[in-house]
Amino acid sequence: DAGVIQSPRHEVTEMGQEVTLRCKPISGHNSLFWYRQTMMRGLELLIYFNNNVPIDDSGMPEDRFSAKMPNASFSTLKIQPSEPRDSAVYFCASSFGPRGRGTDTQYFGPGTRLTVL
Amino acid sequence: QKEVEQDPGPLSVPEGAIVSLNCTYSNSAFQYFMWYRQYSRKGPELLMYTYSSGNKEDGRFTAQVDKSSKYISLFIRDSQPSDSATYLCAMRVSNFGNEKLTFGTGTRLTIIP
Repeated sequence: DAGVIQSPRHEVTEMGQEVTLRCKPISGHNSLFWYRQTMMRGLELLIYFNNNVPIDDSGMPEDRFSAKMPNASFSTLKIQPSEPRDSAVYFCASSFGPRGRGTDTQYFGPGTRLTVL
Repeated sequence: QKEVEQDPGPLSVPEGAIVSLNCTYSNSAFQYFMWYRQYSRKGPELLMYTYSSGNKEDGRFTAQVDKSSKYISLFIRDSQPSDSATYLCAMRVSNFGNEKLTFGTGTRLTIIP
């Protein structure tokens, strides 16, 4: 299995530009998670989907952030307009199991390193 | 105050030493406790998980949970240079349908050969 695939691996953009991050979960997994990691705040959950439906988006910082999961094999996280404080590593993770089973392992992708100038 | 507190380190120990990594938390609803390992410029990977209080051993690794003190630990015996990584604790409540993990900020560990 190829694992969770994220693209691009690195993104450098200028303030005000739109940024789209992409994720392909592990085939057969039914939950998908978007995280952001910074030195100051650590790893924070932004949003997660179960069976392509958003379940918890309480971590999405503001209206500039949006996420979609049009099908079981693809998700996007969009930032529009981007700001320097959005610079971070963004991780996508996926898992499989009945909702609520606490031991479901989340498998992380390699991350997208975003720099907003 | 953060729900999960973790000393960021860095922590450097000689090869073969016993390593102790710790997290404290404030939410008494947390029931599932995990340790993730993250190598530089990689995504985190699950190392161990425990449910409620007690100990769990897996090879050189032991995870310990003390719910009365809201304190969890990861012990690494006979530490190896390959154990050099950032270790993140993570927790979740047991509510059905809630898969949200809350992470500590991570402790950076270096094992010196």
